[in-house]
Amino acid sequence: DIVMTQSPLSLPVTLGQPASISCRSSQSLVHSDGNTYLNWFQQRPGQSPRRLIYKVSNRDSGVPDRFSGSGSGTDFTLKISRVEAEDVGIYYCMQGTNWPRTFGQGTRVDIK
Amino acid sequence: EVHLLESGGGLVQPGGSLRLSCAASGFSFSGYSMSWVRQAPGKGLDWVSVIDHSGTNTYYADSVKGRFTVSRDNSKNMLFLQLNSLRAEDTAVYYCAKDEVVPGTPGTWGQGTLVTVSS
Repeated sequence: DIVMTQSPLSLPVTLGQPASISCRSSQSLVHSDGNTYLNWFQQRPGQSPRRLIYKVSNRDSGVPDRFSGSGSGTDFTLKISRVEAEDVGIYYCMQGTNWPRTFGQGTRVDIK
Repeated sequence: EVHLLESGGGLVQPGGSLRLSCAASGFSFSGYSMSWVRQAPGKGLDWVSVIDHSGTNTYYADSVKGRFTVSRDNSKNMLFLQLNSLRAEDTAVYYCAKDEVVPGTPGTWGQGTLVTVSS
């Protein structure tokens, strides 16, 4: 199975400041079809998860443009350009390239 | 608007069984693969299973293989997860999700149903 490793696991941030979360996979996430199926999810307190990013850098509908994804191969990053109060929650990366699908451990983002 | 509503969770004894259901609406259900993802209390997300759009192909996490069975009824826009030989470590909120982009990649999620395995 592909192991997804996130860092940091806890990220206190100041409102209006940027934030960055790293996700590394134990093997390349490049699929035989040429795509890289790396996703990012947000889970706000008490809510179901919501996908933010698919295929490394594509924002889902309704996701603010302050969220961006980047990376390739085994190293990926989710960035929030200016953190807002509504961004508090846990963020997960997930690979959709190999079976079984696997998630990272999650990164808790809160306000300093 | 896509809507997914899980039901069937509850308290069950170790070794017992439970059948979860997910009612889908707001999209062409038969055109999408569907996934189940679980989350133990206070823990992270754990991918469980996927079924393709026709119900022909399924995949499972190793931790549930041979004990859980995913199925669907496209005529009724329903997704199911049969949980057998339940263990304490299966205690979790179980989410159904509409896959988007590729099978096994949840796009839209339901609100979840809690399964508690305890004597």
